[in-house]
Amino acid sequence: GENVEQHPSTLSVQEGDSAVIKCTYSDSASNYFPWYKQELGKRPQLIIDIRSNVGEKKDQRIAVTLNKTAKHFSLHITETQPEDSAVYFCAASRNNNDMRFGAGTRLTVKP
Amino acid sequence: DAGITQSPRHKVTETGTPVTLRCHQTENHRYMYWYRQDPGHGLRLIHYSYGVKDTDKGEVSDGYSVSRSKTEDFLLTLESATSSQTSVYFCAISEIETGELFFGEGSRLTVL
Repeated sequence: GENVEQHPSTLSVQEGDSAVIKCTYSDSASNYFPWYKQELGKRPQLIIDIRSNVGEKKDQRIAVTLNKTAKHFSLHITETQPEDSAVYFCAASRNNNDMRFGAGTRLTVKP
Repeated sequence: DAGITQSPRHKVTETGTPVTLRCHQTENHRYMYWYRQDPGHGLRLIHYSYGVKDTDKGEVSDGYSVSRSKTEDFLLTLESATSSQTSVYFCAISEIETGELFFGEGSRLTVL
């Protein structure tokens, strides 16, 4: 089955700096790559996703890039703010039933 | 919140006792999932359902069973709880068109 590796496990940045989280996956048939944000004590929520026919997607301060050849994808957050502090999970799947998640990255944005 | 509610939200039980967690949805989604969340492991799929009475195993299904007798309810049962099943359990539904998962609020289970 799919295996998703996520790095780093913790990340601390100053407010206003950029943050990058990287994931690799093993199943070349995976075609959907979402990113979820989980605030303390809350449920995970989708913040951005990308499909295999696209190399990059951007939504305001958040962007995701995908390299299918190398089987890795990354989340980029620019101009970080304290409210960006949370745990971020990457995931990969090729159908509705096999979404595999990375272990998560705890992002801390220091004011 | 995609109309998903989980119950109970918190439960403490003893080793060897049976436990059932309930997931209820109000929007007639076909696919429902149970995940567990543990530090260092992210979210791991336990079981999923693709319709009434149609269920299948995920990557960490040992020690768990599920049932779906109605579209709106997906039950997760621990027949004989063990300390290794102490975790936060999330139910989720998926939007068929997009693949996006919507999670419930989670159920924190502690097995002593």
